[in-house]
Amino acid sequence: AQTVTQSQPEMSVQEAETVTLSCTYDTSESDYYLFWYKQPPSRQMILVIRQEAYKQQNATENRFSVNFQKAAKSFSLKISDSQLGDAAMYFCAFRSGGYGNKLVFGAGTILRVKS
Amino acid sequence: DAGVTQSPTHLIKTRGQHVTLRCSPISGHKSVSWYQQVLGQGPQFIFQYYEKEERGRGNFPDRFSARQFPNYSSELNVNALLLGDSALYLCASSLDFWKTYEQYFGPGTRLTVT
Repeated sequence: AQTVTQSQPEMSVQEAETVTLSCTYDTSESDYYLFWYKQPPSRQMILVIRQEAYKQQNATENRFSVNFQKAAKSFSLKISDSQLGDAAMYFCAFRSGGYGNKLVFGAGTILRVKS
Repeated sequence: DAGVTQSPTHLIKTRGQHVTLRCSPISGHKSVSWYQQVLGQGPQFIFQYYEKEERGRGNFPDRFSARQFPNYSSELNVNALLLGDSALYLCASSLDFWKTYEQYFGPGTRLTVT
């Protein structure tokens, strides 16, 4: 069974600065996908970024980028130029390749942004 | 286009009662998944349905059941409610089951069992 671990229950960042959220996972599969989701107080889970395991290039979406280290089974999220609207709970999630959409989530990291 | 909708937004039930939660996927999406998110934890997978058939089930007791209708909407039913069933129940829809399409989450239903 796959597991996802987020070792930082809470992180803080000053507005306009950069913060990195950590995630490690465990799997014996070679084909899988990794995601970072954002859940603001409104509860709506929003996809931030996605990484396919077969791609060596790290995914980037505007101010959000990942550092995907497949051998180390590490998948960290870097948020650059942090904004007040980035404050939320962030979840790292794993999805096996192949059929089905089951996501395995980590416990989450609360990100606080200070003005 | 409307996103994933869920009803009700929140509800309060008593131990032993039954509850039905509803989800309408994004138009054109044929797969619906249900997740339970206990306060302070990440979501846990409960079920996935595609074309009205159960395609995956998480580690939840038989008190939890679900179904999908011809219009692809879905219901999650929980019988004999326990205090531990108090959680945010999230529904997610995706275009298909066979390919890796994104999942889009609804706002959730907050269930409180007293």
